[in-house]
Amino acid sequence: EAAVTQSPRNKVAVTGGKVTLSCNQTNNHNNMYWYRQDTGHGLRLIHYSYGAGSTEKGDIPDGYKASRPSQENFSLILELATPSQTSVYFCASDDWGFSQNTLYFGAGTRLSVL
Amino acid sequence: QQKVQQSPESLIVPEGAMTSLNCTFSDSASQYFAWYRQHSGKAPKALMSIFSNGEKEEGRFTIHLNKASLHFSLHIRDSQPSDSALYLCAVRTGTGSNRLTFGKGTKFSLIP
Repeated sequence: EAAVTQSPRNKVAVTGGKVTLSCNQTNNHNNMYWYRQDTGHGLRLIHYSYGAGSTEKGDIPDGYKASRPSQENFSLILELATPSQTSVYFCASDDWGFSQNTLYFGAGTRLSVL
Repeated sequence: QQKVQQSPESLIVPEGAMTSLNCTFSDSASQYFAWYRQHSGKAPKALMSIFSNGEKEEGRFTIHLNKASLHFSLHIRDSQPSDSALYLCAVRTGTGSNRLTFGKGTKFSLIP
């Protein structure tokens, strides 16, 4: 089964600080995604990528940047963290349009911004 | 922008019951429809998916799609304690987009 690894699993940050969430997949999937999950909102797409060097804005990109330096790695960057960004963040990957339609999720990162 | 809505928000049933979870979507060009299941504290995991109108059965689970009605559903037979979870429906819009849009979820529980 596809493997997606997120780090860190838990993070406490201060308001105004910089936070980087990392994601690694070992399945050679072209597409990678960052979602956040909040009670009452479900899973919402922040940024996604079609391959190394590409990033696209999702539905709620404000306050977030993304970086895809390689096929395997996709990072989410909060330059100036705010308490409203406290959430559970999930990275996911798939190969939609190629071999793998199913979206595979990492275990999630619980972020608290104080 | 694709809108995906689920009903009901929560569902509590006795063990062994049959039940249905519903999902509606707004974009008639959508081409991929899926259900994901998320146990408490875990990541969502794909349950089953469908591309064309009709039904697809896998074990105790059946997915039914009616594109004309912008609706698909998940039917669960003989509910088991392991089925207790958050069920998320997801829709992939058609041409040119890789985006999977999720509903807010239905919290499904069994009466203890």
